[in-house]
Amino acid sequence: QLQLQESGPGLVKPSETLSLTCTVSGGSISSSSYYWGWIRQPPGKGLEWIGSIYYSGSTYYNPSLKSRVTISVDTSKNQFSLKLSSVTAADTAVYYCASGSFDKTIFGVVTLGALDYWGQGTLVTVSS
Amino acid sequence: EIVLTQSPGTLSLSPGERATLSCRASQSVSSSYLAWYQQKPGQAPRLLIYGASSRATGIPDRFSGSGSGTDFTLTISRLEPEDFAVYYCQQYGSSLFFGGGTKVEIK
Repeated sequence: QLQLQESGPGLVKPSETLSLTCTVSGGSISSSSYYWGWIRQPPGKGLEWIGSIYYSGSTYYNPSLKSRVTISVDTSKNQFSLKLSSVTAADTAVYYCASGSFDKTIFGVVTLGALDYWGQGTLVTVSS
Repeated sequence: EIVLTQSPGTLSLSPGERATLSCRASQSVSSSYLAWYQQKPGQAPRLLIYGASSRATGIPDRFSGSGSGTDFTLTISRLEPEDFAVYYCQQYGSSLFFGGGTKVEIK
C-alpha cells in the first residue's frame, strides 16, 4: 500500500518560489507502473491538476501553469518535488501529492491513470 | 483542454435517497477515461470510479458510474450518512482535468 507525505514551508512570500517535496513509502518511486503528481485546492474551491512526472523524468504539466512549474524526481530518496515560481496570493492552496497508474503503448502514447493514492495535503499560504 | 461541467452545484437529499450527479465534457472523453472522487472536509479526495464505470478497490456497490462520450453520471443508490460530501469528476489520459464539483448535503 503506497503512502505519500507532503513536506515544505507553509508560508511563502509573493514573487518567491514555492517548493514542496513528496516522500513515497510502501513502494518504489522507480516503479514502471506508476506516475506521480501534484494537485492543489484553494480554500473553499475545487481541485486543480498542476502536473505529473514518471520515474524516468518525463513530465506532464497543466498548460495554464506550465511556465511557472518544475516537477522533478529523486529516485535515491524515493521522493518527487514541486517548484512553483513567481507565486501570488492566488497560489494559496492545499497542495496534494498523488499517484496513479502509468501506461505507454509501443507507439509512445502515454496514459496517466486516475489518482488512487493521495497524500494528506499541506496548506501553503502566500503572504508577505 | 477538456472542460468538465458538473451539475447540480449542490444536491440536497435525505439518507436513503438516490443521488444522481452529472458531469458533462466539452469534447468527447477518449476511451472513457473518466473518474469520480469523493472529498470530505479536511481530507484528501478518494477515488471512487475509474474508466467511467469501474469501482475502485473497497468502494461499496451503492456507488455506480455510467456514461460515455461527453455525458457521465455518478449514482449513489441509497445515501448513507457518510456519503454526504463533495464529488468531483476528472478526465485523465494525456493530461488530467477536474470538474468543479457537486456538494451532496443533508436535506
